[in-house]
Amino acid sequence: DGGITQSPKYLFRKEGQNVTLSCEQNLNHDAMYWYRQDPGQGLRLIYYSQIVNDFQKGDIAEGYSVSREKKESFPLTVTSAQKNPTAFYLCAARDTYNEKLFFGSGTQLSVL
Amino acid sequence: AQKVTQAQTEISVVEKEDVTLDCVYETRDTTYYLFWYKQPPSGELVFLIRRNSFDEQNEISGRYSWNFQKSTSSFNFTITASQVVDSAVYFCALSSNNAGNMLTFGGGTRLMVKP
Repeated sequence: DGGITQSPKYLFRKEGQNVTLSCEQNLNHDAMYWYRQDPGQGLRLIYYSQIVNDFQKGDIAEGYSVSREKKESFPLTVTSAQKNPTAFYLCAARDTYNEKLFFGSGTQLSVL
Repeated sequence: AQKVTQAQTEISVVEKEDVTLDCVYETRDTTYYLFWYKQPPSGELVFLIRRNSFDEQNEISGRYSWNFQKSTSSFNFTITASQVVDSAVYFCALSSNNAGNMLTFGGGTRLMVKP
């Protein structure tokens, strides 16, 4: 199956804990993105990466960190500095030929 | 700065009705792309259409049609003869080269189609 794979589907975080959300793609796209979606709201950009070993902050990067060591992988860490982490997190990869974004099925993060 | 506004937060229709989802955008760029995505209850966003700023032709794909009006900065989406399976959240989005090809999303419109 081709596409974007996010895991886990559901994740629970204890206070003060860092957690990492996985995002893997087999589409061979250079650009990858992390979005946060709060209930009843649109998507807000957390971090993006245009190429391996490079990434940039989006609109709401505080309390999050990423890495891009491989083209296929773009994990997102939600650190203890993120005081309101409960949200639905979506990872995407962009086809630079037609500008389409392909999304994963998301991870729902909740705080215990 | 770019901005996308979807004024309708929620729409409820009865099956077989036509429904139009509104999208208004703001950008200073002359070259940009407009998108519509569908988010069913499963959560994954599904691409529906991409339009570039130089192509104002309306498009029809089955029961779906899109009306791009540059003069009013709008890119509205119409579903004809709606079905229960159309129930989802629909997002309009905008990207441009000058904004690093970042997608700016509207707040989404939740469409509920009742049998």
